[in-house]
Amino acid sequence: GENVEQHPSTLSVQEGDSAVIKCTYSDSASNYFPWYKQELGKRPQLIIDIRSNVGEKKDQRIAVTLNKTAKHFSLHITETQPEDSAVYFCAASWTGGGADGLTFGKGTHLIIQP
Amino acid sequence: GAVVSQHPSWVICKSGTSVKIECRSLDFQATTMFWYRQFPKQSLMLMATSNEGSKATYEQGVEKDKFLINHASLTLSTLTVTSAHPEDSSFYICSALLNEQFFGPGTRLTVL
Repeated sequence: GENVEQHPSTLSVQEGDSAVIKCTYSDSASNYFPWYKQELGKRPQLIIDIRSNVGEKKDQRIAVTLNKTAKHFSLHITETQPEDSAVYFCAASWTGGGADGLTFGKGTHLIIQP
Repeated sequence: GAVVSQHPSWVICKSGTSVKIECRSLDFQATTMFWYRQFPKQSLMLMATSNEGSKATYEQGVEKDKFLINHASLTLSTLTVTSAHPEDSSFYICSALLNEQFFGPGTRLTVL
């Protein structure tokens, strides 16, 4: 089955700086790669996703890049703000929207230092 | 839109008893729902895929007789933890599929 590795487990950045979180996956058949933000005690929320036919996607301060050949994808957050502090999970799935279930990475605790 | 609820939000039970957790899609119909388990400060692990009107599909290593899933309607899936033991204590989160997976708020299960 699919295996998703995520690094780093904890990331501390100064407010206003950029943060990058990286994931690798094992199953070359995976085609859908979402990123979730989970604040303490709350449900995971989709923040951005990318499908295998696209190399990069951007939504305001958040971007995701995908390298299918190397089987890795990354989350980039620019101009970080205190409200960006949370745990971020990457995931992979065979089908769009995660219709066949999602395999998650172990999560990255992002800490924004004021 | 696309709101998913879970009930109860937390439950404490004695070892050997069974506990039922409900997952509802409030404003959309979901043919497919998923059940995940999340250990403290860890990732979500897919337990099973629940399809309305058919048997659930369980991930490898998940005991189907212990974690009973019923998806009797397009807005409700239930997870019953049978003969619960302390090692079943965890955070259980469901999701419902529309164009993406929308997650419920989770249920904290503590087995004494």
